[in-house]
Amino acid sequence: GAGVSQSPSNKVTEKGKDVELRCDPISGHTALYWYRQSLGQGLEFLIYFQGNSAPDKSGLPSDRFSAERTGGSVSTLTIQRTQQEDSAVYLCASSRGGSSGANVLTFGAGSRLTVL
Amino acid sequence: AQSVTQLGSHVSVSEGALVLLRCNYSSSVPPYLFWYVQYPNQGLQLLLKYTSAATLVKGINGFEAEFKKSETSFHLTKPSAHMSDAAEYFCAVSFTGANSKLTFGKGITLSVRP
Repeated sequence: GAGVSQSPSNKVTEKGKDVELRCDPISGHTALYWYRQSLGQGLEFLIYFQGNSAPDKSGLPSDRFSAERTGGSVSTLTIQRTQQEDSAVYLCASSRGGSSGANVLTFGAGSRLTVL
Repeated sequence: AQSVTQLGSHVSVSEGALVLLRCNYSSSVPPYLFWYVQYPNQGLQLLLKYTSAATLVKGINGFEAEFKKSETSFHLTKPSAHMSDAAEYFCAVSFTGANSKLTFGKGITLSVRP
C-alpha cells in the first residue's frame, strides 16, 4: 500500500482480556518495527522484524507481549491478559531494511489501546 | 549504548520567532540522527536526517539541524515560527549494524503563540 496501515485505530478493552493489533507495512519494505508511545515516555522500541524473523525482541516488556509476521508482510502484536499499564499508542513502522542505520522509518497512525 | 536527550518537555514561542529545539546524543560509534514530527492526531513523519554527508541538514517546512560532533548535539532550528508548526518533535539516533532501530528521545511539544 501507499503507507503503513494499522488497525484498529482505537481499542478499549477490559483488564485481563487479550488484544491483537495489526500492521500492514508499505509494499516492498522488508523491515518492520513496533514501538509504544506512552504519555511522557516518548517512543519505546518493542520489536524488529527483518522478513519473517525477529532478530531483536529486546523491547518486549514482558512475556505477555508477542508478535509475529507472516509472508514478509502483515504483522500482529498480541498482548495477553492486558493490564492498565499497557494503555498506550502502539506504533508500527516499516523501512526498506538492511543493516544501514540511515534507513528511514515510515510510521503508521497508530493503534490507541485503553485498558479499563 | 546510544541514546538521545531532549531537555525540557515543552517550548513556547511567538509566531515569527526563532524555534530552537535541543537534542544531544550519546553514541560510541558515528551516529545517524533524525528529527521526526508528530502533528496532533497524526502519525510521525520525518523532518530531516543526518547521515554524515553534510553537517548542516535542511528538512521540510523550513527546518534545519546542524550536527556538531564536539558538542554531541543535533539541535533543530527554524528562523520564523508559524502557527502550523505546533506539534511534538522527536529526536532519534541509529547506527549501522543496529538493524536500523531508532532510539527516540522523550519528545518536545512546541506551542506557537499568535
